[in-house]
Formats: sequence, structure tokens, C-alpha cells
Amino acid sequence: GAVVSQHPSWVICKSGTSVKIECRSLDFQATTMFWYRQFPKQSLMLMATSNEGSKATYEQGVEKDKFLINHASLTLSTLTVTSAHPEDSSFYICSVCPQETQYFGPGTRLLVL
Amino acid sequence: EDKVVQSPLSLVVHEGDTVTLNCSYEVTNFRSLLWYKQEKKAPTFLFMLTSSGIEKKSGRLSSILDKKELSSILNITATQTGDSAIYLCAVVIKAAGNKLTFGGGTRVLVKP
Repeated sequence: GAVVSQHPSWVICKSGTSVKIECRSLDFQATTMFWYRQFPKQSLMLMATSNEGSKATYEQGVEKDKFLINHASLTLSTLTVTSAHPEDSSFYICSVCPQETQYFGPGTRLLVL
Repeated sequence: EDKVVQSPLSLVVHEGDTVTLNCSYEVTNFRSLLWYKQEKKAPTFLFMLTSSGIEKKSGRLSSILDKKELSSILNITATQTGDSAIYLCAVVIKAAGNKLTFGGGTRVLVKP
């Protein structure tokens, strides 16, 4: 499988601030990475597909101006939650997809106070 | 709209029992079905199924796909407390850039 890291693993911030989450593919050059969000006791919901060198593709209902995605290299994608609110508190997980199987990073827990 | 449904929602068993988890799907352009195990952090990959009727096995876990019935089952035999987790099923859609559509998961609790 592929090895994926995320940083930070957890973050607490005040309402109105912006939070950046990094996703790194450590052993695979990922032209595409995926960002998911998981609320407590719910399944994973795809937020967006991050494309290296071009714009991300957002799922319906996900605001692209609120969740900024940058995929500047084949090993790094970042998700910035802008002007975070308490309802953005969630578990954010990225994944890479070598050979049709997705491998997930360890996730980032965000708590917005 | 593509849909993946898992059942049961949750179950409680004792060590040594066998569990069978179900995943059914209604999607356009099915490519493959994946099973994941999620404990406290992100999901870990278990199986990828693309062909009907071929069982995949890893230790006490096994899984099979039935394309006619649009479903898959995941079996865990001789369960142990370490098998307690949420088991997630996801479907990959062709021509959708390998996006995954997840089911709601089945929460399994194995009691000693």
C-alpha cells in the first residue's frame, strides 16, 4: 500500500480563524489526492478531489471558497479551512490512490471553539 | 444517485463467534468494491473486489462480491476483541476518477 501522513494530527482553534491541514504521500507520486470529512458516528464523505497543478474538483454542497485546496507538488496537498466555525469541527482525512485502491492518512481532528 | 448501504448498523458478539457483514450498492458504472476497517483513526484497507464469485481471504477475514445481487459480504471467523471496529464498504465508480462512495458502516463490538 501507500504511506500517507497528515499534519497536524489534531488542532483546536477559535471561531473565525483559518486552519491549514497538510497531506503528504510519502512513497507514491500522487497526481490526485482526495479529501474526506467524517462527523461523529457517521461515514466518510468526500469533500473534494485535489489535482496536482490544477484546480480541485469539489463535491456538491462543499464551498470551494471556504475549503481551499492546493496541490502544488506530487507529494503534498493542503486543505485550508477558512474562517472556521464550530460546525466545521470534524475529522478530516486525505487519501491517495495507487492502482485503484485508496490508502488513507491518519486524519486530522479539528475542534473549533 | 449512487448509493451504498451496509447492514446491520451495529452488532455485538462474543469472542469466537462468526460475523457476516453486508454491503449492497446501486451505482452506475460499477468498477470495484473495497472493504476497510476503522478503529480510532483513519480506515485501513482490507480487500478490493472486482470479479463476482471469487473469494478474497486474509487470515480470519474473507469477502466475496455478487454482481448479480449488487452486494458483497465480509466474514470474520473466530472473532477476537481486536476485531472491534467500524467496517466500511465503498464502491469505486468508473469514469469518476477513482472516487469512493462509502456506505454508512457497521459497528462491530466483540466482547471477551
